[in-house]
Amino acid sequence: QVQLQESGPGLVKPSQTLSLTCTVSSGSISTGPYYWTWIRQPAGKGLEWIGRIYRSGTTNYNPSLKSRVTISVDTSKNQFSLNMSSVTAADTAVYYCARAGGFGELEHWGQGNLVTVSS
Amino acid sequence: DIQMTQSPSSLSASVGDRVTIKCRASQSIGTYLNWYQQKPGKAPKVLIYGASSLQGGVPSRFSGSGSGTDFTLTVSSLLPEDFAAYYCQQSLSLPYTFGQGTNLEI
Repeated sequence: QVQLQESGPGLVKPSQTLSLTCTVSSGSISTGPYYWTWIRQPAGKGLEWIGRIYRSGTTNYNPSLKSRVTISVDTSKNQFSLNMSSVTAADTAVYYCARAGGFGELEHWGQGNLVTVSS
Repeated sequence: DIQMTQSPSSLSASVGDRVTIKCRASQSIGTYLNWYQQKPGKAPKVLIYGASSLQGGVPSRFSGSGSGTDFTLTVSSLLPEDFAAYYCQQSLSLPYTFGQGTNLEI
């Protein structure tokens, strides 16, 4: 079945840009009616939907983060990416990538990538 | 944004118990409601989608019901591996939003 794996730095300085990549295996990012999604979870807290991208490149973002977030897709590498600018300590969290199914359910998840924002 | 409110926030139970977790949406979402289980240090796992459809591979002791604004996740007979955090999520309206979570504890 499809597998997702996040990669990227675990430490980002305040005001800099957080960049993460999700690599999809055992399935093509170019096929199927799926949305490729980013979610985050601060330690001990709940889940926050960041945004999603379709294989065509169409994106949707959480309005609370929209001004700082860009999600892109590279179908040749079977990857999609998250860039979040001007980070602060409040952006410290585990960042997950996931595939959303037909009902919007997040049916496949990466294992998560802890990103700490600190100088 | 649609606000999702779960109750209770934490729940103590025993192996073999039947437990129910509730989720309320701030406006009608039809049946666009999904339930997840999360164990410490792991990614969430979808249990129920579309309010009542069991995700493939999920044991039948898990069930979901409801429509509109009120939803329920039921575990018919708890096993030790069911002690975890549970989240509901609405997927009708962007941005998709989650409940604050329910910690199911022994």
